[in-house]
Amino acid sequence: GAGVSQSPSNKVTEKGKDVELRCDPISGHTALYWYRQSLGQGLEFLIYFQGNSAPDKSGLPSDRFSAERTGGSVSTLTIQRTQQEDSAVYLCASSTGTFGGSPLHFGNGTRLTVT
Amino acid sequence: DQQVKQNSPSLSVQEGRISILNCDYTNSMFDYFLWYKKYPAEGPTFLISISSIKDKNEDGRFTVFLNKSAKHLSLHIVPSQPGDSAVYFCAAGGTYKYIFGTGTRLKVLA
Repeated sequence: GAGVSQSPSNKVTEKGKDVELRCDPISGHTALYWYRQSLGQGLEFLIYFQGNSAPDKSGLPSDRFSAERTGGSVSTLTIQRTQQEDSAVYLCASSTGTFGGSPLHFGNGTRLTVT
Repeated sequence: DQQVKQNSPSLSVQEGRISILNCDYTNSMFDYFLWYKKYPAEGPTFLISISSIKDKNEDGRFTVFLNKSAKHLSLHIVPSQPGDSAVYFCAAGGTYKYIFGTGTRLKVLA
């Protein structure tokens, strides 16, 4: 079956521009997550969706970051006025979310480079 | 404040021998612990998990041990194979949110 799909796989943008990153989770997975991995760092939690609502946005680094999920499926992470420190690999994951310990299934990520 | 720590950034092991990857955490409220493997340019792949009510879980060549009193878990890979060379992340969490460590790069030498 299809896994988590993310697009684009790579994005190079100029400082100050807005970017949109897309995530298509595994069909039927109610929980969706965004993480990011900066160079040499671990995975940093950004936001969690259950269905279309986001009960935990605590990891979003600033108000330039926002995310939405529609139809309980596709999610978009938007970064406005990008800065060089936003350069990272942005990873999306989904899970059944039906019980604690449900493993997260990750996509291959979007590598964002802000020049 | 790092709640999940992997203090060894890298590890080299001879093929056929045991690989032991370690992970420490600080939050005693964590209920579930997961291990992931990551190859370059790919997303992390789930390997094995353990809940706080257990101290060991085994799946083929992979075994995870949990020591709650020490807030420590480890992943054992026996026997190690060259294809196991990757970055390994541990993650700890409760009902939905997982905190990840910084990873350990394992190199299995043929």
